[in-house]
Amino acid sequence: DAGITQSPRHKVTETGTPVTLRCHQTENHRYMYWYRQDPGHGLRLIHYSYGVKDTDKGEVSDGYSVSRSKTEDFLLTLESATSSQTSVYFCAISGQDYGYTFGSGTRLTVV
Amino acid sequence: DQQVKQNSPSLSVQEGRISILNCDYTNSMFDYFLWYKKYPAEGPTFLISISSIKDKNEDGRFTVFLNKSAKHLSLHIVPSQPGDSAVYFCASNSGNTPLVFGKGTRLSVIA
Repeated sequence: DAGITQSPRHKVTETGTPVTLRCHQTENHRYMYWYRQDPGHGLRLIHYSYGVKDTDKGEVSDGYSVSRSKTEDFLLTLESATSSQTSVYFCAISGQDYGYTFGSGTRLTVV
Repeated sequence: DQQVKQNSPSLSVQEGRISILNCDYTNSMFDYFLWYKKYPAEGPTFLISISSIKDKNEDGRFTVFLNKSAKHLSLHIVPSQPGDSAVYFCASNSGNTPLVFGKGTRLSVIA
C-alpha cells in the first residue's frame, strides 16, 4: 500500500535480551522516524534519520539505538530489553511534503 | 514539557452531530499543524493539516481551525459518522524538525 513495512508485527522477548525491529520503505524518502505509542503518552519520538548514516535522538532515546546503512531500511535496536520498553512501535517516513506515512506497527512485549 | 496538549482523553458524540476536538501548543516556533486518525491495530493516517499562515482549512466533512494568538487549534467533523470513531492525534513542527504529537483523543460516535 503506502510503501512502508515493519517487521515483525508482534514479538515477545525476555528481559535482558537484544531486540531489533526493522522498517523498510520503497518510497526513497529521505526522512525516517521511530515512535512508540503508550497509553496516556500518545506518540513519542525515539530516533530519526535524515539520510543514510545520519541519525539523531528523539524525546525517549535512552535504551535504544538505530542504524541506517541504506535509504530503504531503518533499524531500531533495544540492546537489553526491559519491561518499560513494552510498547507499540511505529516507523514513519516523510518526503517533500509535511505528511508522514506510518507503518502498521510492531507490538513488543518484554516479559 | 509537553509542547502539544490534547486535554480531553475521550469524547462521545451522537451520529450526525458535530465533533470538536481541541489541541493546544506551547512552542511559538511551530508553523505547521496536522491531525492524524488512528484505528486499533493500525498505524496513524494523515487526516488534514494547516500552515501557520492560514486560520482555516477545510476538506469535506473535516475542518481545522487555527488560532495563533491563543496557540490553539481544533478539528471539526460535521456530520459525525460511526466510522469516525478512532483516536485522533494533533501534531506539529517547525521547518524540518520531527513532528511532536499530543496524547490523543478517543472519539466515539454513537449511532
